[in-house]
Amino acid sequence: GAVVSQHPSRVICKSGTSVKIECRSLDFQATTMFWYRQFPKQSLMLMATSNEGSKATYEQGVEKDKFLINHASLTLSTLTVTSAHPEDSSFYICSAPPLSGEQFFGPGTRLTVL
Amino acid sequence: DAKTTQPPSMDCAEGRAANLPCNHSTISGNEYVYWYRQIHSQGPQYIIHGLKNNETNEMASLIITEDRKSSTLILPHATLRDTAVYYCIVRVAGGNAGNMLTFGGGTRLMVKP
Repeated sequence: GAVVSQHPSRVICKSGTSVKIECRSLDFQATTMFWYRQFPKQSLMLMATSNEGSKATYEQGVEKDKFLINHASLTLSTLTVTSAHPEDSSFYICSAPPLSGEQFFGPGTRLTVL
Repeated sequence: DAKTTQPPSMDCAEGRAANLPCNHSTISGNEYVYWYRQIHSQGPQYIIHGLKNNETNEMASLIITEDRKSSTLILPHATLRDTAVYYCIVRVAGGNAGNMLTFGGGTRLMVKP
């Protein structure tokens, strides 16, 4: 199946700093990528839809100025958590659907904000 | 997307079949049933999907009732590595990349030696 990678896999940062997470589709192009967040013992919650060449679409309750999304190319989307705080600590997962429409997920990035 | 209902947890003995149920009584005619699983601290993994016919692949079998209001994912010979949270999701399939997945609570399957 298609492969989606994320980098970094784990990051620890101080409160107030910004963290960038990359999501790449390795063997296919994706005009759309999705960003999810998962808190401990909870299900995945969609944060935003990343669209190549246009602005991201954010779900209700997700601050677009705090979670900056840039879909720089057909194989790369980045999520930047700006001025991170401990409550932003979570498992961030991206996914991308190839033309077939199926979704393939990245391995996730665990963010810990001290 | 139609809502799904799954038991929060299940146990299964290693080597036995694991049967995971899912209710989706409000499913629409053009919605497929998808199953994903998430092993601890990893991204979700696609397992199988179907519309109305039973489906089988190298990972699992999917049994969909005739009225399509429920389905069962079958892992024929569960191993310890199948311990994961299993998500049943119904959604419209196809090439429309705009259809994101809505995850419910899933079923936490524990395979025991």
